[in-house]
This record gives sequence, C-alpha cells and structure tokens, in this order.
Amino acid sequence: NAGVTQTPKFQVLKTGQSMTLQCAQDMNHEYMSWYRQDPGMGLRLIHYSVGAGITDQGEVPNGYNVSRSTTEDFPLRLLSAAPSQTSVYFCASSPPGDTGELFFGEGSRLTVL
Amino acid sequence: EDKVVQSPLSLVVHEGDTVTLNCSYEVTNFRSLLWYKQEKKAPTFLFMLTSSGIEKKSGRLSSILDKKELFSILNITATQTGDSAVYLCAGGLNAGNNRKLIWGLGTSLAVNP
Repeated sequence: NAGVTQTPKFQVLKTGQSMTLQCAQDMNHEYMSWYRQDPGMGLRLIHYSVGAGITDQGEVPNGYNVSRSTTEDFPLRLLSAAPSQTSVYFCASSPPGDTGELFFGEGSRLTVL
Repeated sequence: EDKVVQSPLSLVVHEGDTVTLNCSYEVTNFRSLLWYKQEKKAPTFLFMLTSSGIEKKSGRLSSILDKKELFSILNITATQTGDSAVYLCAGGLNAGNNRKLIWGLGTSLAVNP
C-alpha cells in the first residue's frame, strides 16, 4: 500500500530557483494538504484542497502555489525560493468524515542556500 | 491567539516505565484534540478526543481530555524502546473545510533499554 508519496525526499536549491514538490495519494481522499515543519515552530499549514479543482490558503501560504487537477495529485510549487523556505515539507491527506486522521507522506527536506 | 503547549519538551525513561505526556490548549472554536507519534519521518495518528472524561485506549497507550481545564494527557505504560519518538498534540478547530489544526511542538521521548 503506497499511501501518500512525496518526491523528492531531499533537495538543495539556490535562492531564486523554482521547484515543485510532488505529492500523490492512492486512497481516493478528497482532502489533501501541505505542511512545513520547522524547529521551534511546529507544523504549519501552507495550502489545502478539499477536492479536484479546489484549493485554499492555510496559515503560511506566501511564496507557495498549489493546484489540484486530479484527486490523486497535489503538487506544491516554490516560484522563487528563499532561505526562509528551508524546511521539512509534509503532504497529508484525510478520509471523509471527522476522524481527525491525517495520513502523512514521509517528508521532503528542502535547503535553500 | 490559539496555542497548544506540550510538556515536558523531552523525557528519558527506562524500558518498563510508565510515562505521562501533557498537552494544554487555548483554541477558539475548539472541536477536538489529536495525538500523533512522529518517529524519524511522518507523523502517524494515535487518537482523536472530543469528549471530556472518556478515555481512549490502544494497547499500552491511552489518552483522556479535560475540556473544563483545557488539557489532555497521553499515558504510555510498560514503555518499550519502540516507543521512542516525538509525540505531537494538536487542537482541531471548527473551521469549515480546512480541518485547521494548531500543533504543539511535541514531547521527545527516549526509552532506554
């Protein structure tokens, strides 16, 4: 069972470069989200989607774009990377209903020099 | 400002010990309290609590919520080295579709043989 798959696992960028973090889930979950995790800050929601074609901002959306063309995929784009975006990024999906359960990918560690 | 505070920040115990992890919250429009376990990679779901005084149990782990005093505890009995992880607590809000969660910084638990 694949669950939530994120790629790449590690990436080093220079300031100003762009990149896309890929996220795919095979559980047919409508809800998907992107978090970043930083020391001393906890997990913070960047963007989320409640279904194909629907996205919305979370707590810290600046500098990131998302799209949701299919139920399975939810890529996160950094248009012009900044050192402040150095972080570990997690994609997560959730089944319908109020279970509270998020299924997380294994994370992508991004370093911006 | 909504916040979730976990204590202690870190804990070292010996196998077989019982531990209690604490989570206090100040969350407007509070809906639920969630516990996750994060080993080296992705957080994994443990419990969701919505009602005061009702214990949730899974094996050696149990948790309870006190909505009057605004806290929850996670107990782990007969600890094993495999329990070593960061335990995250999150407050869930009634926030429409975005399933907004306020995350604590976690308690890092190390269980020594």
